Amino acid sequence: NAGVTQTPKFQVLKTGQSMTLQCAQDMNHNSMYWYRQDPGMGLRLIYYSASEGTTDKGEVPNGYNVSRLNKREFSLRLESAAPSQTSVYFCASSESYRTATSYGYTFGSGTRLTVV
Amino acid sequence: DQQVKQNSPSLSVQEGRISILNCDYTNSMFDYFLWYKKYPAEGPTFLISISSIKDKNEDGRFTVFLNKSAKHLSLHIVPSQPGDSAVYFCAATRMGFKTIFGAGTRLFVKA
Repeated sequence: NAGVTQTPKFQVLKTGQSMTLQCAQDMNHNSMYWYRQDPGMGLRLIYYSASEGTTDKGEVPNGYNVSRLNKREFSLRLESAAPSQTSVYFCASSESYRTATSYGYTFGSGTRLTVV
Repeated sequence: DQQVKQNSPSLSVQEGRISILNCDYTNSMFDYFLWYKKYPAEGPTFLISISSIKDKNEDGRFTVFLNKSAKHLSLHIVPSQPGDSAVYFCAATRMGFKTIFGAGTRLFVKA
């Protein structure tokens, strides 16, 4: 009963370094999402993938890229990390963007990223 | 500009009493509203949702009320239990795209 799995759970990066956050779901969901959570800001959508083969920008896409590798996996890449990207990152999935209106998202447990 | 606002950062309630968490929104195009609960070091968990064509939805101890004219929704938890202590996020969406979350309200239920 893994649900949504995110790796790594913690990461410290130096300014300018790059890294990829991995996300995989085993629920055969079509839609996947990346959010960041900052104190006092709630969760903000970075990118989403409504279905395999498609990706779209969310509220705060600058500085990030995504890849929907297959139906299960949706990765988030920071090409040149900045201190402003220090945050907790959550991956989520839903059967479809439509069903998410009634049944919500299933979230992973998050990746805590610090950029120094 | 925050489209979904939770103006109370925290709320403290006695066990057995009612907890009322509030949320305001600005975009009249939202057609679904959701509540999530989050424990420390875990991801948010979906609690309950409501369509904009309804004014109330119940699921066990949780009831969500929607007042479209005031652009306001609230989550009632009755009776409150210590295990309900968590951060509650209000969220809104239009057709499921780009769900927008509020900043969250931390609920403390005292035994």
